[in-house]
Amino acid sequence: NAGVMQNPRHLVRRRGQEARLRCSPMKGHSHVYWYRQLPEEGLKFMVYLQKENIIDESGMPKERFSAEFPKEGPSILRIQQVVRGDSAAYFCASSPNPADTQYFGPGTRLTVL
Amino acid sequence: ILNVEQSPQSLHVQEGDSTNFTCSFPSSNFYALHWYRWETAKSPEALFVMTLNGDEKKKGRISATLNTKEGYSYLYIKGSQPEDSATYLCASSNTGNQFYFGTGTSLTVIP
Repeated sequence: NAGVMQNPRHLVRRRGQEARLRCSPMKGHSHVYWYRQLPEEGLKFMVYLQKENIIDESGMPKERFSAEFPKEGPSILRIQQVVRGDSAAYFCASSPNPADTQYFGPGTRLTVL
Repeated sequence: ILNVEQSPQSLHVQEGDSTNFTCSFPSSNFYALHWYRWETAKSPEALFVMTLNGDEKKKGRISATLNTKEGYSYLYIKGSQPEDSATYLCASSNTGNQFYFGTGTSLTVIP
């Protein structure tokens, strides 16, 4: 049973470009959480999704950021028109039930030049 | 936003010593508390999920307690080993939707 997969592991973008981060949850998990770790800071909640639904996006910036978890395929965190301040490590985690143990992926490290 | 605090920020102990650290969280509308172990260059690894006041969980030499009325959880490590060196994170939720993480306790076990 493969763990949570994230790709790419490292992503470099220039200011103004789009970044797409993918997260494939563990098999059988329909709950996905996205977190961001800014340099020298802890993990910050961004968004919680179930299949095809955004349950809570209160931690996600209202502009330029969006997330989806389609019926088929991975969850996608999309950042449009990236700025230097978006440089961070983005982790996703999945769980079989709400508030259950979350299993983390290896993270995507985004660098904006 | 929940204010989750962990102390101490960092800790150095000798191999064989037992140690403990604290996670404080708002006690109102408590839903769940998670403990994670995070080694450098790896992803956080779940240790415990705690939901009930008075919960005690144990995994090998590591155990945790939960007091939801006063808003704290303790993580204990008995007989620390160098491989226990990591950052220990706690995360609290009052809805089951968002989880708010503390900044972690960085543990270094000196051989």
